[in-house]
Amino acid sequence: EAEVAQSPRYKITEKSQAVAFWCDPISGHATLYWYRQILGQGPELLVQFQDESVVDDSQLPKDRFSAERLKGVDSTLKIQPAELGDSAMYLCASSRPHGELFFGEGSRLTVL
Amino acid sequence: AQSVTQPDIHITVSEGASLELRCNYSYGATPYLFWYVQSPGQGLQLLLKYFSGDTLVQGIKGFEAEFKRSQSSFNLRKPSVHWSDAAEYFCAVAENAGGTSYGKLTFGQGTILTVHP
Repeated sequence: EAEVAQSPRYKITEKSQAVAFWCDPISGHATLYWYRQILGQGPELLVQFQDESVVDDSQLPKDRFSAERLKGVDSTLKIQPAELGDSAMYLCASSRPHGELFFGEGSRLTVL
Repeated sequence: AQSVTQPDIHITVSEGASLELRCNYSYGATPYLFWYVQSPGQGLQLLLKYFSGDTLVQGIKGFEAEFKRSQSSFNLRKPSVHWSDAAEYFCAVAENAGGTSYGKLTFGQGTILTVHP
């Protein structure tokens, strides 16, 4: 069964350092999403791509976060510099247009 | 703006007992509604969804949910809980506006389900 792949699964970093997360969506899924889930809360959408284009990044803290999907396949989410409040699970999901979202297992970030 | 409220942060039930998890939403039109389940350290798995039509929807793992427009609710139910159902459950709403807005899910804060043997 096809899955959304994410790496790394766990990342511990010190504040002010840079960190990056990678996501490989299910083959053929043109839509890709990055969600952030703070402990004890539901996921919140950070950015949505349709192919290589950003559809919605209204909740992405653009002063420190960036996301790209250069070839419309895999995607990278970067944080620089990381802050203590960035500690969270970063979830990637993909879908066909108008289709069900499939989530990866997430990348858990701890900022010390 | 759309929002989702899950009033119960933590629910404990005995194995074999019935379950109902509450979800209330705020949205100006008919929404798309979802229930997801998340096991510790894992991603989210879709249990069921409501778009239109029959207000009682069946999902995987024996779960069902009922859309009640008058109460702005979409409660999740299961007649007999199994120990493997212990997890966190999230209700979510999406804009019913076609295009690419389907994926812009707004989640509730989640309900943690503990199952006692």
